Amino acid sequence: ETGVTQSPTHLIKTRGQQVTLRCSSQSGHNTVSWYQQALGQGPQFIFQYYREEENGRGNFPPRFSGLQFPNYSSELNVNALELDDSALYLCASSFTQREGSYEQYFGPGTRLTVT
Amino acid sequence: AQSVTQLGSHVSVSEGALVLLRCNYSSSVPPYLFWYVQYPNQGLQLLLKYTSAATLVKGINGFEAEFKKSETSFHLTKPSAHMSDAAEYFCAVSPGRSGTALIFGKGTTLSVSS
Repeated sequence: ETGVTQSPTHLIKTRGQQVTLRCSSQSGHNTVSWYQQALGQGPQFIFQYYREEENGRGNFPPRFSGLQFPNYSSELNVNALELDDSALYLCASSFTQREGSYEQYFGPGTRLTVT
Repeated sequence: AQSVTQLGSHVSVSEGALVLLRCNYSSSVPPYLFWYVQYPNQGLQLLLKYTSAATLVKGINGFEAEFKKSETSFHLTKPSAHMSDAAEYFCAVSPGRSGTALIFGKGTTLSVSS
């Protein structure tokens, strides 16, 4: 069974640029959630995708957007990067059925540095 | 709205000593509760979860947690610490069956000395 994978592992961007982060979900999972973890803080929920649609969003501006593909992999896009966007971005996959979603399994993260 | 408070940003224990990491939650609906561990430069690993079944939950690596509704707590314990337990620990709550967002505490760093 393949776990959650993310690419790239590290990324350095300049303020104002755009970035795309990628995530492959664990085998058998159909839901992907994205979190931002600033240094020394707990992860904060950005949004979740289920059936290729956004299924919940945290307190993040519209310049944070995402996609989910038919194979359940996902992308996180951030436009107009700001210095405060520097963080570890975590992807988590889970299985959603009619009764609800269950535990989320996390990937290793992408470390984004904005200069 | 749900929230999580982890008491103590840093806990230090000796190898072989009891580990106790504290978590209190606030939830307007019956919560699902989780403990995750994060090793340096890695993602989060699920230690254990509470999903309204048994109030005492056993997880991996000898950890367990007890759900106490009257105290709104979900403290993590391990009888005997190992050096390999040194890591960051996060408590998280999700709003039950809707299961969209996990809301995390700020984390507790566990140090283990020999």
